[in-house]
Amino acid sequence: DAMVIQNPRYQVTQFGKPVTLSCSQTLNHNVMYWYQQKSSQAPKLLFHYYDKDFNNEADTPDNFQSRRPNTSFCFLDIRSPGLGDAAMYLCATSSFPSGRADNEQFFGPGTRLTVL
Amino acid sequence: GEDVEQSLFLSVREGDSSVINCTYTDSSSTYLYWYKQEPGAGLQLLTYIFSNMDMKQDQRLTVLLNKKDKHLSLRIADTQTGDSAIYFCAERSDDYKLSFGAGTTVTVRA
Repeated sequence: DAMVIQNPRYQVTQFGKPVTLSCSQTLNHNVMYWYQQKSSQAPKLLFHYYDKDFNNEADTPDNFQSRRPNTSFCFLDIRSPGLGDAAMYLCATSSFPSGRADNEQFFGPGTRLTVL
Repeated sequence: GEDVEQSLFLSVREGDSSVINCTYTDSSSTYLYWYKQEPGAGLQLLTYIFSNMDMKQDQRLTVLLNKKDKHLSLRIADTQTGDSAIYFCAERSDDYKLSFGAGTTVTVRA
């Protein structure tokens, strides 16, 4: 089945130690997104790739970077994690223009990051 | 800017109807969505409505849109235990970007 895969599902890192989260997709979608979701809060868009074009949200901290080496893979790099970066990180994909009214975003199961 | 608000919790008896409410602020939103998140899983699109519609029905799901008041609701008829999840309201804030609410946790009790 076509899907969005995130690895690992759970990640523990130490304060200040760089960490990379991984997302891959078999949907061949041209748009990939990274969201941060804290408990009882809305998923917050960090950035997205439209093909190879990187688009950063204005309020995304510089501590967060992303790489998309090819259509299938996208990485989230946190250079110096702080305690406030502990959250669920969701990857999503979509096809744009999709020719469909719903322009659905397909989500992975998320990676829960713990910062010690 | 975009701001989507929802109540955080809803408890409903099995077999009853659930109504989840949402308000949004971006009057230019063209599409509004309901996503469902089950434990340990990603968000899954349940249904959507175009802004020129005021109602959409899809099996047990009914979406009502009051564009004047910027109010969206999702009604689940005959709620089942499998409907226990977090439900997110979202608006399309750009061609391919979404703004989400904080989610409503629906608990179905026997």
